[in-house]
Amino acid sequence: DTGVSQDPRHKITKRGQNVTFRCDPISEHNRLYWYRQTLGQGPEFLTYFQNEAQLEKSRLLSDRFSAERPKGSFSTLEIQRTEQGDSAMYLCASSSTGLPYEQYFGPGTRLTVT
Amino acid sequence: GEDVEQSLFLSVREGDSSVINCTYTDSSSTYLYWYKQEPGAGLQLLTYIFSNMDMKQDQRLTVLLNKKDKHLSLRIADTQTGDSAIYFCAERPAGNKLTFGGGTRVLVKP
Repeated sequence: DTGVSQDPRHKITKRGQNVTFRCDPISEHNRLYWYRQTLGQGPEFLTYFQNEAQLEKSRLLSDRFSAERPKGSFSTLEIQRTEQGDSAMYLCASSSTGLPYEQYFGPGTRLTVT
Repeated sequence: GEDVEQSLFLSVREGDSSVINCTYTDSSSTYLYWYKQEPGAGLQLLTYIFSNMDMKQDQRLTVLLNKKDKHLSLRIADTQTGDSAIYFCAERPAGNKLTFGGGTRVLVKP
């Protein structure tokens, strides 16, 4: 297994458009996380799944954001009606349920909203 | 509440040791982690420490934890130019999310 992968790596979109990102976790990991990182800041937690169940959502995840993990494998993060403030790096991570719960990150999707 | 703080910048000469400091506020954190991020890339997990440990060594990396003061540090021995990056500490309080500091940019000068 080559690690967590994300697609696309870069996305430029116009304000008001919808975008969708995909994350493929490490195959044996049943937990999947989404974080957002803005320039000069550390990543901020958005949401997490255990298998297909979305178990926690941050208040950062407004109604315009939706995440799914339909079969407990890959996940998608959709942003509707994008705003310039959505411009950020969107990071996906995965982990097993065992100690020490290390989260392994993908390369991220950089979103630019013009 | 949860708040993880780090100094912004560290400059070090190649071959010297680097020490990156971090303070956290949530005493319920069971594990604390150090990640490295190079420009335009995701985060690479470097090491972690369990909250009942004081120290952990892993090759050139030494993590020290002072749980009383909620202070965490990462020492990199024999710093190389390839160590230039942003380093993030993260805590894992109750629940499964990580709370990250703002990152310390380390610049290694030849």
